[in-house]
Amino acid sequence: EVQLVESGGGLVKPGGSLRLSCAASGFTFSSYSMNWVRQAPGKGLEWVSSISSSSSYIYYADSVKGRFTISRDNAKNSLYLQMNSLRAEDTAVYYCARDGTFGFGDYWGQGTLVTVSS
Amino acid sequence: QSALTQPASVSGSPGQSITISCTGTSSDVGGYNYVSWYQQHPGKAPKLMIYDVSNRPSGVSNRFSGSKSGNTASLTISGLQAEDEADYYCSSYTSSSTLEKVFGTGTKVTVL
Repeated sequence: EVQLVESGGGLVKPGGSLRLSCAASGFTFSSYSMNWVRQAPGKGLEWVSSISSSSSYIYYADSVKGRFTISRDNAKNSLYLQMNSLRAEDTAVYYCARDGTFGFGDYWGQGTLVTVSS
Repeated sequence: QSALTQPASVSGSPGQSITISCTGTSSDVGGYNYVSWYQQHPGKAPKLMIYDVSNRPSGVSNRFSGSKSGNTASLTISGLQAEDEADYYCSSYTSSSTLEKVFGTGTKVTVL
């Protein structure tokens, strides 16, 4: 069974940093591109970043470019999102999602909440 | 990276059919056959309902169907049921790399 489990969310002050993790199981993690998607409270989904299976290709939304860094460790079946210079508008539930057999988002984690507030 | 445009809300009675539109540009929806649709119930993660414009993953009811014409994609839910009440989002790739994505603004479906 495919499982994606996010962790690392929490309360952080504006300007602070946080590192999210997504632990994958039930599939060959190294064969799939992965994504981070976020959802601010009461708002819609926003694509944040994607990374190819071998980390050769990485893309970011303009809203996080230069502040967030996506990475993965295929040996540990894990996806990461390093978030720096956090702003109030980064407050959201962050999901990891797979680019799978059925395209973008065939499997999602349960999400981890990031709150940026003083 | 502008969001795709969806109606804020759509409603219908049980048994009826409804259609949700998703309008983009030739750089996203109109340029690639990689439109997906997701259903999200409150407090839950999104669930993939349609991929590659009109394909259903295994396990998704055949009451859900997708199509595309030009820069606009559509999701149709036929035989509306109470459990279909949820938020629905479309997404598309925005470049030939297939790694850059964009979501729609989201549509709240209400079953009357």
